[in-house]
Amino acid sequence: EPEVTQTPSHQVTQMGQEVILRCVPISNHLYFYWYRQILGQKVEFLVSFYNNEISEKSEIFDDQFSVERPDGSNFTLKIRSTKLEDSAMYFCATLGTLRGYEQYFGPGTRLTVT
Amino acid sequence: GIQVEQSPPDLILQEGANSTLRCNFSDSVNNLQWFHQNPWGQLINLFYIPSGTKQNGRLSATTVATERYSLLYISSSQTTDSGVYFCAAVRSNDYKLSFGAGTTVTVRA
Repeated sequence: EPEVTQTPSHQVTQMGQEVILRCVPISNHLYFYWYRQILGQKVEFLVSFYNNEISEKSEIFDDQFSVERPDGSNFTLKIRSTKLEDSAMYFCATLGTLRGYEQYFGPGTRLTVT
Repeated sequence: GIQVEQSPPDLILQEGANSTLRCNFSDSVNNLQWFHQNPWGQLINLFYIPSGTKQNGRLSATTVATERYSLLYISSSQTTDSGVYFCAAVRSNDYKLSFGAGTTVTVRA
């Protein structure tokens, strides 16, 4: 069965550094998402992306964050200047529409900011 | 987004016991998913169930959309069932998932 993949699985970075998290969506899926889970908390929506543009973003998704689909396959989340509070698990999810509204999640990237 | 509430927050079971987890949501939905978060933090999709009943092995789920709740049943629980179970829903005419706070299940041998 097709699956969403994410790289890296774990990234450690210093405060103020830029990080790029990568996701390879399921082929032919049209909607892409990033979610975040701070340790011990629930999963929160960050941003949705459709037709090569942001369709919705949460209050968390401020100017430090950006998303793009640079080559038609990868879907990336960039954090320009990381803060300690950006430490979290970041999940990519994708949605096709042939099987209803089920979202398929990647395994996540654990980001640790020191 | 939609409000999603899960109960109980914590559940301790003896191996072999059955249990029911509940998820209430505040609006009509076009998506309701149950996940199990494994020890590595991965979200394992258990069910996509905006309505009706599904079964997968010892797990089953029922969503009564008209009454805005979903139930996850675990039968003959095993220690490997331990972990956090999340319910997440998408309100009709929306596309983003809203997650509940989760139920932490501990199965003791």
